Amino acid sequence: DVKVTQSSRYLVKRTGEKVFLECVQDMDHENMFWYRQDPGLGLRLIYFSYDVKMKEKGDIPEGYSVSREKKERFSLILESASTNQTSMYLCASSPGRTSSWETQYFGPGTRLLVL
Amino acid sequence: QKEVEQNSGPLSVPEGAIASLNCTYSDRVSQSFFWYRQYSGKSPELIMSIYSNGDKEDGRFTAQLNKASQYVSLLIRDSQPSDSATYLCAVRQRYGGATNKLIFGTGTLLAVQP
Repeated sequence: DVKVTQSSRYLVKRTGEKVFLECVQDMDHENMFWYRQDPGLGLRLIYFSYDVKMKEKGDIPEGYSVSREKKERFSLILESASTNQTSMYLCASSPGRTSSWETQYFGPGTRLLVL
Repeated sequence: QKEVEQNSGPLSVPEGAIASLNCTYSDRVSQSFFWYRQYSGKSPELIMSIYSNGDKEDGRFTAQLNKASQYVSLLIRDSQPSDSATYLCAVRQRYGGATNKLIFGTGTLLAVQP
């Protein structure tokens, strides 16, 4: 079974704090993604990575950065958390480019509240 | 215009009926289309993918694609209360090089009434 885990299910932070969300997958997938999901706006792509140390901006990268030092781990960093970053954050992974990459496997999500 | 549009619902159907979920997309060059199911409080899971015009069946699920009309749908036959969830339509768009990304609709909430 593919397993994508996220470091926290719920997180409460204060405005201005630096926040780290971690995602780990155990299927040797090349591609990893970070989304946020908000009511009425759906899933929006923040950043993705198709290889170690590689990263690409998604649709809403502002206020976020990412790190992928190892293939199995993809971290999302909120440099200075703001209240408009309160959201559900979902990590996903998918196999390499030559196979059925589009099957994205999602982690359980982290519900972040920024006060 | 949103890139991928879905009616937010809720779509309410009685148990045993056919549920029909619809999705339209704006990018004519899109080639791959997906339906994800998301139960309340859970993460999305892929249930169907379709690439060619026409119908694709998998058990009680049928995906339908009409590229000329930029329309994709999901039919669920013999709907069960366990099918109650939000259904997300996703479209693959070429990003650049070999890497693509998915654009998701906002989802349709389906409620199957016992």
